Amino acid sequence: QLQLQESGPGLVKPSGTLSLTCTVSGDSISNSGYYWGWIRQPPGKALEWIGTIYYSGSTSYSSSLKSRVTISVDTSKNQFSLKLSYVTAADTAMYYCARQSSGHLDASDFWGHGTVVTVSS
Amino acid sequence: DIQMTQSPSSLSASVGDRVTITCRASQTISTFLNWYQQKPGRAPQLLIYAASSLQGGVPSRFSGSGSGADFTLTISNLQPEDFATYYCQQSYSAPYTFGQGTKLEIK
Repeated sequence: QLQLQESGPGLVKPSGTLSLTCTVSGDSISNSGYYWGWIRQPPGKALEWIGTIYYSGSTSYSSSLKSRVTISVDTSKNQFSLKLSYVTAADTAMYYCARQSSGHLDASDFWGHGTVVTVSS
Repeated sequence: DIQMTQSPSSLSASVGDRVTITCRASQTISTFLNWYQQKPGRAPQLLIYAASSLQGGVPSRFSGSGSGADFTLTISNLQPEDFATYYCQQSYSAPYTFGQGTKLEIK
């Protein structure tokens, strides 16, 4: 069964860089037809799509976060990662990694449990 | 970016009721519309993709319809486990934006 697990620091200082990794188990991240992405949810607020990556390295990002976001993939470790630079308190959120399936018209059919990231000094 | 607007923002209903949640896109998105259910403290789960296709394991009391810019999620015969927040998402054009959510509460 496919599983996704987020990991990374739960506390980041303002103006610093948030770094998270999603480890995929139960399937190869290099299988065609799937993109791998990040979604976040500030406390009490709606879901926000951050971006996705294909195993080849092709990426797509949120318009509002594009200048600060980098998503990368490491196929040898079956992982993909998120970096968000120059963070502020507004970046405090639950961060989810998810699989986006072309067979489901790019819906996210598997999600990690999420990890809380707080931006504070 | 495509904007997604859900209505209502919140809804009260009773077990056994039938409820409908609507989602409108700021431009046509064909049937690239997905619905997710999120319970408190849990990750979202895919309910419906491609506007009307039920994700595996999802009860048949959930149904979706629509195309173009207007979509609906209908839940028939509400069960206690259905009280949650529901989000629509367009996957027509990146960035794949979400609606603001509809919280379904017990009356």
